[in-house]
Amino acid sequence: QVQLQESGPGLVKPSGTLSLTCAVSGGSITGSDWWSWVRQPPGKGLEWIGEVHRSGSTNYNPSLKSRVTIYVDKSNNQFSLKLTSVTAADTAVYYCANTPHNWGQGTLVTASS
Amino acid sequence: DIQMTQSPSTLSASVGDRVTITCRASQSINSWLAWYQQKPGKAPKLLIYKASSLESGVPSRFSGSGSGTEFTLTISSLQPDDFATYYCQQYNNYWTFGQGTKVEIK
Repeated sequence: QVQLQESGPGLVKPSGTLSLTCAVSGGSITGSDWWSWVRQPPGKGLEWIGEVHRSGSTNYNPSLKSRVTIYVDKSNNQFSLKLTSVTAADTAVYYCANTPHNWGQGTLVTASS
Repeated sequence: DIQMTQSPSTLSASVGDRVTITCRASQSINSWLAWYQQKPGKAPKLLIYKASSLESGVPSRFSGSGSGTEFTLTISSLQPDDFATYYCQQYNNYWTFGQGTKVEIK
């Protein structure tokens, strides 16, 4: 199966935009239908953020929908997450995944000035 | 949206104990349920998929059962490496996770 690796800034200022990328290696991003983002605040449970289809269509968690954009970049074999109007509550480890079998290792993003 | 209710939230057990964790879906998810184990600082590790299929490399002391709205994860004989937090996840309609069950040493 493909390998997934998250990357992006580890620190985001409050009211700013969180931007992360998930690089897909060992296969094509078109080889799987859906690609997801999941997050986990420190000491808390897992929260599904949303998903993007290889065609570009998306589904988002209603609790985050107004602030989230997920898109696929076929030319670079990756998909990305943008979360706007960040607050301290968005501090979390962010994971990318495509199936329950296949997750990235996660990246910590801290929202702080 | 499908809600997942997991119980108990904490479980104290001893090595060798049989442990059962329950997950209930707010509507039928057929068998589209996964169970994960997570240790501090690590990504979740898939144990069970499609409610009862054991992921490759996972010890056979882990088993899953159920369909529709009621699911169970059983550890037949708890081992020292099994003290961790466990999550259920439905993937029938988008993804939703249970709140987690922390398995502690009694």
